[in-house]
Amino acid sequence: AQKVTQAQTEISVVEKEDVTLDCVYETRDTTYYLFWYKQPPSGELVFLIRRNSFDEQNEISGRYSWNFQKSTSSFNFTITASQVVDSAVYFCALSPLIQGAQKLVFGQGTRLTINP
Amino acid sequence: SQTIHQWPATLVQPVGSPLSLECTVEGTSNPNLYWYRQAAGRGLQLLFYSVGIGQISSEVPQNLSASRPQDRQFILSSKKLLLSDSGFYLCASTSGRTDTQYFGPGTRLTVL
Repeated sequence: AQKVTQAQTEISVVEKEDVTLDCVYETRDTTYYLFWYKQPPSGELVFLIRRNSFDEQNEISGRYSWNFQKSTSSFNFTITASQVVDSAVYFCALSPLIQGAQKLVFGQGTRLTINP
Repeated sequence: SQTIHQWPATLVQPVGSPLSLECTVEGTSNPNLYWYRQAAGRGLQLLFYSVGIGQISSEVPQNLSASRPQDRQFILSSKKLLLSDSGFYLCASTSGRTDTQYFGPGTRLTVL
């Protein structure tokens, strides 16, 4: 069975601090996708990143960076110089890399609050 | 790029009443479509998915059903709502060129 664990239920930091959101996953599949989504107060899930299991390169996009470590089954997300607009619930998700329907398994989410 | 619409945005229904939530997709053809539910303070759970017109797969036994009458239309229904059906319902779509699910704005359902 597949499982995604986001152990941090809530995180609160002061603006401009760096913050890392942890994601640990379990799967028996040899190939899979990992995702991060952002859910602002409006509720809509906003796609942030997708990573293939065979691509362990870390990725940076502006103030966002992702650290994928297959050896520890982790896919952590770091926000550098956080801003109030980063306040949201962040979800990590996993799906097998197969053709056809893609069944996402989500973690429980981490509520991030950036205080001015 | 694709755009996903969901209707209605919010809904308050009494226990035992019927339900129909609609999801429509623009900007793509032959998408895979998904219904998720997010209960208060919890993660997202996949309810149904569809790989084509009339093709529905259910992930969780429950009081709900889904239908896909047209290529870019996905409907979530119930004959009699339960209190436990309350939640935030999200529709998602993947098009042929990407394996990334994009989500609609959601419908917040409260069953009283």
